Amino acid sequence: AQTVTQSQPEMSVQEAETVTLSCTYDTSENNYYLFWYKQPPSRQMILVIRQEAYKQQNATENRFSVNFQKAAKSFSLKISDSQLGDTAMYFCAFMQYNNNDMRFGAGTRLTVKP
Amino acid sequence: NAGVTQTPKFQVLKTGQSMTLQCAQDMNHNSMYWYRQDPGMGLRLIYYSASEGTTDKGEVPNGYNVSRLNKREFSLRLESAAPSQTSVYFCASSEQGYGYTFGSGTRLTVV
Repeated sequence: AQTVTQSQPEMSVQEAETVTLSCTYDTSENNYYLFWYKQPPSRQMILVIRQEAYKQQNATENRFSVNFQKAAKSFSLKISDSQLGDTAMYFCAFMQYNNNDMRFGAGTRLTVKP
Repeated sequence: NAGVTQTPKFQVLKTGQSMTLQCAQDMNHNSMYWYRQDPGMGLRLIYYSASEGTTDKGEVPNGYNVSRLNKREFSLRLESAAPSQTSVYFCASSEQGYGYTFGSGTRLTVV
């Protein structure tokens, strides 16, 4: 079974600085998808970024980008120019190519300090 | 707004009571899911439905039942609630490979 590991339960960053959240996963599959979700205090789960494993180019969405290292099974999230509104739980998730069953990491609580 | 609608948002049950969590999506997605979220454990899959008329167990199905009433609706039932089922429950829907759209969650407390 696929597992997703987020080794940083909590992190903090100063406003306007850059922070990187780590995620590793375990799979024997070659084709799959990876995601980062944000969960602010409102509890709503919000998709931040999506990566297809067969694409070598790292996905970016405005201030959010990933460093996808397929051989190392690593999928880190970089947040540039951190804003107070980025304060949230962040979940890394894995989905097989032909299966919609998504597996989540335990999450990283990020606090952006003014 | 298009999306996934869950009801209720909050619920308190006594041990042994039953209840059904309702979920509906208006995005014409084939797949729907129920997850529970507990501190330090991320989200764990309870049941999912890959298409109308089918349901399958996920990682933590014990104590729950589901019904895929039609393409839009997927309900989760607790027949005899236990304190261990105190959690936040999320419904989600998806199309293949595009990630999930989540409902706003139900905070359930069993006393």
